[in-house]
Amino acid sequence: SQQGEEDPQALSIQEGENATMNCSYKTSINNLQWYRQNSGRGLVHLILIRSNEREKHSGRLRVTLDTSKKSSSLLITASRAADTASYFCATDSSASKIIFGSGTRLSIRP
Amino acid sequence: EPEVTQTPSHQVTQMGQEVILRCVPISNHLYFYWYRQILGQKVEFLVSFYNNEISEKSEIFDDQFSVERPDGSNFTLKIRSTKLEDSAMYFCASSEGTGRDYGYTFGSGTRLTVV
Repeated sequence: SQQGEEDPQALSIQEGENATMNCSYKTSINNLQWYRQNSGRGLVHLILIRSNEREKHSGRLRVTLDTSKKSSSLLITASRAADTASYFCATDSSASKIIFGSGTRLSIRP
Repeated sequence: EPEVTQTPSHQVTQMGQEVILRCVPISNHLYFYWYRQILGQKVEFLVSFYNNEISEKSEIFDDQFSVERPDGSNFTLKIRSTKLEDSAMYFCASSEGTGRDYGYTFGSGTRLTVV
């Protein structure tokens, strides 16, 4: 299966701390994406990293990609209460679809 | 910022009834998708649509499902005869180019409850 699997499944940290989530996948990819989902809401695209990129930044987000290990990480720095959500990696199973992993549920404690 | 709009936000239907879930993708987007998420489970791919035809569909997307772009702006998902296991959040998404290269913009979803 192409889909990514996130680790950990759940993460609880103190506000202000950094949160790191990992994603592993099984076959080669063109791009990998990260999405956020607030409870009961739609997914929001956060960042896309191409297979020839190793690191990408967007605001407080930092994504790394290691194609040799078939893994990616999402780092959220200086976490805020509003970052509480589920985070999913998604890999391009084909040109016509992306497949989501199971997600990491992130809780930020005030 | 442009949005993908889905209606209704919540639909309750009797088992065996037909339902149509509606979506208005972002106007300049060319690629359209339906995903679903059963409560507490993964977001699952259903179908992708481009140039007025299905690009790819999953095993879930059987003969009970169909998609249509009836008027150039709306994108609909029809379930002909709903089953209890069709209860889920259904998400529509669109992308400017191929989703793998551009990322998807998702709607807020329709919560379908089959009773």
